[in-house]
This record gives sequence, structure tokens and C-alpha cells, in this order.
Amino acid sequence: DVKVTQSSRYLVKRTGEKVFLECVQDMDHENMFWYRQDPGLGLRLIYFSYDVKMKEKGDIPEGYSVSREKKERFSLILESASTNQTSMYLCASSRQGRNEKLFFGSGTQLSVL
Amino acid sequence: GQQVMQIPQYQHVQEGEDFTTYCNSSTTLSNIQWYKQRPGGHPVFLIQLVKSGEVKKQKRLTFQFGEAKKNSSLHITATQTTDVGTYFCAGPADSWGKLQFGAGTQVVVTP
Repeated sequence: DVKVTQSSRYLVKRTGEKVFLECVQDMDHENMFWYRQDPGLGLRLIYFSYDVKMKEKGDIPEGYSVSREKKERFSLILESASTNQTSMYLCASSRQGRNEKLFFGSGTQLSVL
Repeated sequence: GQQVMQIPQYQHVQEGEDFTTYCNSSTTLSNIQWYKQRPGGHPVFLIQLVKSGEVKKQKRLTFQFGEAKKNSSLHITATQTTDVGTYFCAGPADSWGKLQFGAGTQVVVTP
């Protein structure tokens, strides 16, 4: 079975902490994505990577950075966590192309206190 | 930029009833995808529509792509409690594979 694995299901951090969310896929997909999901707002794209070391800002990149040193791993970094970054974070991957479907990880519910 | 809108945002359905959720794009789409997210779960791909006017069925779910390729619908017949969840539509935002998601329709089913 194909898999996108997120390192933590639940995470609690303090304001100002540096937070790393890790995502690994085993499908040799070129594309990887980080989304944020909040009630009533749907899925909002934070960052997108279409190749190793390549990244592109999504709709809401402020306060976030990403790292993709290896094809299978895509990390989301909150340099200094704030309470308004409390949310569900979803990682996804896909093959490259206009007609490809996304495979999502199980999500990380991050609470920033 | 491209916008994908879904209505309704929330749908309360009696078990056994039919309902439809709609997806509209501000631009013509090369394809549209539908995803389902169960409560506490993650979005899972359901189907992709590519051709103008295309209709596809998955058991009690019927998906349609508009003639102008700017809208789509999902119709569920004889709703069951297993249909509970949020249904998202998504259209391609670029040629690399980025998608623009609608805000989703949250479906609640009462027995």
C-alpha cells in the first residue's frame, strides 16, 4: 500500500518554539505539499515542492519555511510558533503532471499554547 | 487567480434522502477531482473527471462535469451514515500538479 507518513498525530508546543513537522512518502513522487486545514476554510496550501531542493510558496506561506533535501522527505518548519498557527497540518504527495491525484498523510494536529 | 467555490458549505441529510453538492470554478478546468474526508481522517481521492459533460458513477455517488468544464456536481442517492464526511472538489492550479481546493461540503446524516 502506498503511504504518506507524518511523524506526529498530535503536537503541543509553546509560543516562540521552533517546530518541525516531518513527512515521508514511499511512492517516489516528485511533488510534495503542505496544507493547513481550519474549520470553514478548507485546505489552504502553505508550500509546494516539485523536486529535491525546489520549493514554491503556496497561498499562506507567512510564518513557515520548508526543506526538501531528499525526494521522499518534506519538512515544514515554524521558526517561531504562534497561537494562530494552531491547526491541522496535512502533508500530501503526487506524481508530476496536471492530472495526478494527491495522496494525503493522516495529519498533525498542532496546538500552540 | 483561479477560484474554486463549493456550495453548500454544510448539508444536513436524513438517512435515505438524496442530496447534491456543487463546485464552480472561475476558469475553465482541464479536469476536476473529488476527495472525501471522514471525520477525524484525511482527504482520500474519489474520482477525476476530464471530459466535457462527463458523468461517472461509484455505487450511489454520481459525479458530473459541466459542458463548459467550469462546474461539477456530486449527487448521492439514498444517503447512508457511511456517507458522513466532508467532500472537496479540486481543480489544477498549474501544470506541475498543484491543486486549488474548494472549501468543502460537510455532510451530516441523521438516522
